[in-house]
Amino acid sequence: GDSVTQMEGPVTLSEEACLTINCTYTATGYPSLFWYVQYPGEGLQLLLKATKADDKGSNKGFEATYRKETTSFHLEKGSVQVSDSAVYFCALRRYSSASKIIFGSGTRLSIRP
Amino acid sequence: GAGVSQSPRYKVAKRGQDVALRCDPISGHVSLFWYQQALGQGPEFLTYFQNEAQLDKSGLPSDRFFAERPEGSVSTLKIQRTQQEDSAVYLCASSLQPGTSGLTDTQYFGPGTRLTVL
Repeated sequence: GDSVTQMEGPVTLSEEACLTINCTYTATGYPSLFWYVQYPGEGLQLLLKATKADDKGSNKGFEATYRKETTSFHLEKGSVQVSDSAVYFCALRRYSSASKIIFGSGTRLSIRP
Repeated sequence: GAGVSQSPRYKVAKRGQDVALRCDPISGHVSLFWYQQALGQGPEFLTYFQNEAQLDKSGLPSDRFFAERPEGSVSTLKIQRTQQEDSAVYLCASSLQPGTSGLTDTQYFGPGTRLTVL
């Protein structure tokens, strides 16, 4: 079945450090790929998405590129801030009657001032 | 504008009790999803509604779980005879389009209901 595997956390970085959170997926066909973020005390929010191979999603300084050849969608940011501390979920959505989202297990990111 | 709202935000139940969790989707959204998020895990799909029709309930873990959306807007997830393994955050999400055309359609999530079964 479809699945998402992402880097285990927690990840702790200093402010202004570079961030990469790895994500790989298994799915039939050509799913859409997503990164969701959950800030402390808040609900899940869509951070960025890519709907076909080689697409790059970007938002708030974060980027991820849909790599079909490596079935990956790694999340990157060049300079993290304390406000980026949150739990990040990689996810996929495949065409189906429900188009339900399949999530990875999440990566907790903490940024030190 | 108003987002997806859920109530109650927190629910404590004794094992064996029935609970009902409510979701108010964004007005006009056709699709509604329920997910279960266990502690330290990602959300897992439970069920999907397109308007009032429940088109996919493949994720419901047992027949103790029941969901409805009778008028195509508000939805209720009911859990009968709760067990400790039902303790989780239950998330509701809605999106504007029907599922079959919603591959790129954004799902908006509510804040969740944290259920603790003692």
